[in-house]
Amino acid sequence: SAVISQKPSRDICQRGTSLTIQCQVDSQVTMMFWYRQQPGQSLTLIATANQGSEATYESGFVIDKFPISRPNLTFSTLTVSNMSPEDSSIYLCSVEDNRDWTQYFGPGTRLLVL
Amino acid sequence: DAKTTQPPSMDCAEGRAANLPCNHSTISGNEYVYWYRQIHSQGPQYIIHGLKNNETNEMASLIITEDRKSSTLILPHATLRDTAVYYCIVRVAGLTGTASKLTFGTGTRLQVTL
Repeated sequence: SAVISQKPSRDICQRGTSLTIQCQVDSQVTMMFWYRQQPGQSLTLIATANQGSEATYESGFVIDKFPISRPNLTFSTLTVSNMSPEDSSIYLCSVEDNRDWTQYFGPGTRLLVL
Repeated sequence: DAKTTQPPSMDCAEGRAANLPCNHSTISGNEYVYWYRQIHSQGPQYIIHGLKNNETNEMASLIITEDRKSSTLILPHATLRDTAVYYCIVRVAGLTGTASKLTFGTGTRLQVTL
């Protein structure tokens, strides 16, 4: 299975600032996904990121708030912009294995906004 | 993706088999059943998936009923490390784009006790 890393693993940020989260995978993958998990809640998909095209955002998520880059087949970033305390969550990257279409998840980035 | 229904919580004694049920009565013919687990806010861990035949791997067994409207994940010898939230998800595999996304419900919180 794909091995996925995320940076940072956790951060504490001030409201109004932005944080960029990096996701690195050890093999080339077509599909990458970004999820959010708010405290005590299940995972919610933010967007799908394909290399060479604009990310596709789910209802309730917009590019201005969560800009995503996908410069190559092993890397993606998610930026949480103009943060507020409501953005305090775990942000998770996942990839779809090109061989069996199974999705694998990174360890997550724990964000606390004060 | 079809909706799934899982009990919110279950208990299991260490060393015994844990049988986690999932109902997916509206599953389509091309949708697979996937199981993931999330241990204490870590990234979700893939366990197993299947289409219509029973499946077994080193972690668990997946039993899918003949009409495919329900399934059971079996952890044959549960340990304390298996305490986690278990998610049953149905999705179409082998496609690109938003059809590949995972839709997480609330899952089953499995507590393994001594």
